[in-house]
Amino acid sequence: TQLLEQSPQFLSIQEGENLTVYCNSSSVFSSLQWYRQEPGEGPVLLVTVVTGGEVKKLKRLTFQFGDARKDSSLHITAAQTGDTGLYLCAGEAFFTSGTYKYIFGTGTRLKVLA
Amino acid sequence: EPEVTQTPSHQVTQMGQEVILRCVPISNHLYFYWYRQILGQKVEFLVSFYNNEISEKSEIFDDQFSVERPDGSNFTLKIRSTKLEDSAMYFCASSNSPGQGGYFGAGTRLSVL
Repeated sequence: TQLLEQSPQFLSIQEGENLTVYCNSSSVFSSLQWYRQEPGEGPVLLVTVVTGGEVKKLKRLTFQFGDARKDSSLHITAAQTGDTGLYLCAGEAFFTSGTYKYIFGTGTRLKVLA
Repeated sequence: EPEVTQTPSHQVTQMGQEVILRCVPISNHLYFYWYRQILGQKVEFLVSFYNNEISEKSEIFDDQFSVERPDGSNFTLKIRSTKLEDSAMYFCASSNSPGQGGYFGAGTRLSVL
C-alpha cells in the first residue's frame, strides 16, 4: 500500500517565522502536487512538481521535489496569518500496467498567530 | 477565473437510497475525477474519467458507484444504495492533463442517515 506521510501533523507558529512541511513516501511518484484546503472547501492546487530535484517558488512558498521523486517539502518564509490552513501533498503514481493512482497525504494543519 | 462547480452543497439521504452528485468541470478540461473525504480523514481517490470512460478506479469504487458524463458539461457520481459509511465530503476535480493535479470543486457533503 502506498502512503504519503506528512510532518508535522500540526504546526502553530508566530507571524513572521519560517516553517517547512515534509511529505514522504517509500514509493516513487511521476508527479506531486501541493494543495491548500480551507474548512468546508475543496483543496486548491498550489503547485505541481514533476522532475526529481525540481524547485518551484510561489511568492513566499518554496516547493522542492526530492531527487528520487519519493518526497517533497514546502517551505514558507515569513509566515502570515493568511497562510493558516490545511496543506496537503498528493502524488500520482504510474504503473507499468498502464494504470495510475492518486494518493493524498495525511495533511499538515498550519496555524499562524498574529 | 473558471471553476469547478458542484451541486448540491449538502445532500441528506436515508440509507439504501440512491443519490446523484453533480459536477460541472472547467469547460476545456478533459480529465475528470471524484474524491471523497470522510470527516477528519484524508482525501481519497475514487475514480478518474477520460474520453467518456473510466481510466482508473480505487478499491472504494465498488459496484454501488457509477460515473457518467451525460452531456458536454456535467459529470455525475451515482451511489446506488447508500450506506452509513458513505457519509463524507465528495469532491469533483478536473484537469487539462494527467499528472498536473486538479482543480477541485467546493464539494458536496453527503449525510446518510
